[in-house]
Amino acid sequence: QQQVRQSPQSLTVWEGETAILNCSYENSAFDYFPWYQQFPGEGPALLIAIRSVSDKKEDGGFTIFFNKREKNLSLHIKDSQPGDSATYFCAAIDSGYNKLTFGKGTVLLVSP
Amino acid sequence: EAAVTQSPRSKVAVTGGKVTLSCHQTNNHDYMYWYRQDTGHGLRLIHYSYVADSTEKGDIPDGYKASRPSQENFSLILELASLSQTAVYFCASSDAREGNQAPLFGEGTRLSVL
Repeated sequence: QQQVRQSPQSLTVWEGETAILNCSYENSAFDYFPWYQQFPGEGPALLIAIRSVSDKKEDGGFTIFFNKREKNLSLHIKDSQPGDSATYFCAAIDSGYNKLTFGKGTVLLVSP
Repeated sequence: EAAVTQSPRSKVAVTGGKVTLSCHQTNNHDYMYWYRQDTGHGLRLIHYSYVADSTEKGDIPDGYKASRPSQENFSLILELASLSQTAVYFCASSDAREGNQAPLFGEGTRLSVL
């Protein structure tokens, strides 16, 4: 049973466009949602995170939009650059257990 | 600088052999985790620990043991390595405080079992 789903599996955008990565979850107990960025050969790096009491979080060119009722969220990468090409993972935490559940990731390619 | 350090960074093991992966964190975090990453599966939790001398099973614990001898150190042990355990393994640590729970990851250990 996949508790965190990401779409699309892969996404190609042109340099300067906004990339939109989607995530949905099933467990209502999830209350904290970090997004990670991973480059080949490296570990996942924390990008931005949102708590379920908020509906939006911004950090630089990255924005999370969160819809608790629909159990989904999205990561918007504004003014995408080739250096943003990476795999992005949506994750979810139930604070009662502090265990992180990952989606399978979205591979983003930003073409110049 | 806070960090999670894994060793070795890569390893080749023989089927049936014993493998120990080590992790050291300087973040002063209570929680530590071991994940494995396989193409098409994302990251899956093997074992975790929230205090020294105690470990908990994650989502895929079969074939793995874990040891947390101190707050800073967390090991993953494969007593009888199998071909299916070829993967990249990541260690992570996290704070228990609400809003700060996102784990910080190490660089990974690439394990090949032959």
